[in-house]
Amino acid sequence: QSALTQPASVSGSPGQSITISCTGTSSDVGGYNYVSWYQQHPGKAPKLMIYEVSNRPSGVPDRFSGSKSGNTASLTISGLQAEDEADYYCSSYTSSSTLEFGGGTKLTVL
Amino acid sequence: EVQLVESGGGLVKPGGSLRLSCAASGFTFSSYSMNWVRQAPGKGLEWVSSISSSSSYIYYADSVKGRFTISRDNAKNSLYLQMNSLRAEDTAVYYCARDDYGDYSAFYWGQGTLVTVSS
Repeated sequence: QSALTQPASVSGSPGQSITISCTGTSSDVGGYNYVSWYQQHPGKAPKLMIYEVSNRPSGVPDRFSGSKSGNTASLTISGLQAEDEADYYCSSYTSSSTLEFGGGTKLTVL
Repeated sequence: EVQLVESGGGLVKPGGSLRLSCAASGFTFSSYSMNWVRQAPGKGLEWVSSISSSSSYIYYADSVKGRFTISRDNAKNSLYLQMNSLRAEDTAVYYCARDDYGDYSAFYWGQGTLVTVSS
């Protein structure tokens, strides 16, 4: 049982937008602006897509955006592309100075 | 170019020990906190441990506390994870990752090393 709750799967057609939610508590997501999102393709190391709720590292397309409201963070991918098909994980810093991950969401591009 | 290369994984019996290493290059290792993150086969990511740049602050997930020890040698640009009393549920690919933004988020990851705990 992961500490952060994500939907197991989401899907969308090329060009559409999708949103993945990540729900925690006031001790993690709600308490800090330290939510990150990772993309992971099979057999590969995770790739950081969003840090500090809504910041994109250099090289990440602006189709990827992050936000937070209360204890729930969200990752939105607009203009969906075939290469976006992957697993996505949220993570959050916690009040215990640890890190929690969500259970992961499998994105299928139809 | 930033590189993180893990080593030391392998097959170990339950109750056994293993020491993982992560060799860092391409950046000033002593300036960054570092993390270990693992992923069991077919499962999600799990944060294991974090160590600050000077080793002053060390944190562990509850699942490994008391069994695993994180350490680093800044002179050798290396990060370590000593794993004792290993259990079947510790079977996973172990990644080292650099804390790039001071909040455990990591842009740079190693390729991972597989630890299998089985009799």
